[in-house]
Amino acid sequence: GENVEQHPSTLSVQEGDSAVIKCTYSDSASNYFPWYKQELGKGPQLIIDIRSNVGEKKDQRIAVTLNKTAKHFSLHITETQPEDSAVYFCAASLEDDMRFGAGTRLTVKP
Amino acid sequence: SAVISQKPSRDICQRGTSLTIQCQVDSQVTMMFWYRQQPGQSLTLIATANQGSEATYESGFVIDKFPISRPNLTFSTLTVSNMSPEDSSIYLCSVEGTSGLQFFGPGTRLTVL
Repeated sequence: GENVEQHPSTLSVQEGDSAVIKCTYSDSASNYFPWYKQELGKGPQLIIDIRSNVGEKKDQRIAVTLNKTAKHFSLHITETQPEDSAVYFCAASLEDDMRFGAGTRLTVKP
Repeated sequence: SAVISQKPSRDICQRGTSLTIQCQVDSQVTMMFWYRQQPGQSLTLIATANQGSEATYESGFVIDKFPISRPNLTFSTLTVSNMSPEDSSIYLCSVEGTSGLQFFGPGTRLTVL
């Protein structure tokens, strides 16, 4: 089955800096890669996603890149703000079978 | 996006008892899922709740321990049976909308003493 690895497990940045979280997946058939943000005491919120026919997608300060050949994808957050502090999960999916990475705890220091 | 509510939001239960968690969606959805998130951990799929038929369980999860109901396209329940402290977790309902995107409920925080 699919195996998703996520790095780093924790990430601390200064406000205004960029943050990058990386994930790799094992099943080359996976075709959908969402990213979720989970704030303390809340359920995960979908923040951005990318499908296998696209290499990059951007939404304001958030971007995701996908390298299908290498089977890895990354989340980029620019101009980080304290409210970006949360746990971020990547996932890889084929049809309805979605597998999650272990999560990255991002802390943005004011 | 779908609006998903879960009840209860949290509970503290005694060992050996059972708890039923409800998940309500504001629109009809084809796919509903139940996940477990142990403290500080990632999300693990328990089962897919199928409307009108038995749920499909992932490896390591069985119907006797986690019975699931899905009576219609907007509602599902997950029961955690004969609980032990190891069942202390956040249980999350998730749905797949018509867009194919997957959304999560707010979760139910369960503590078993």
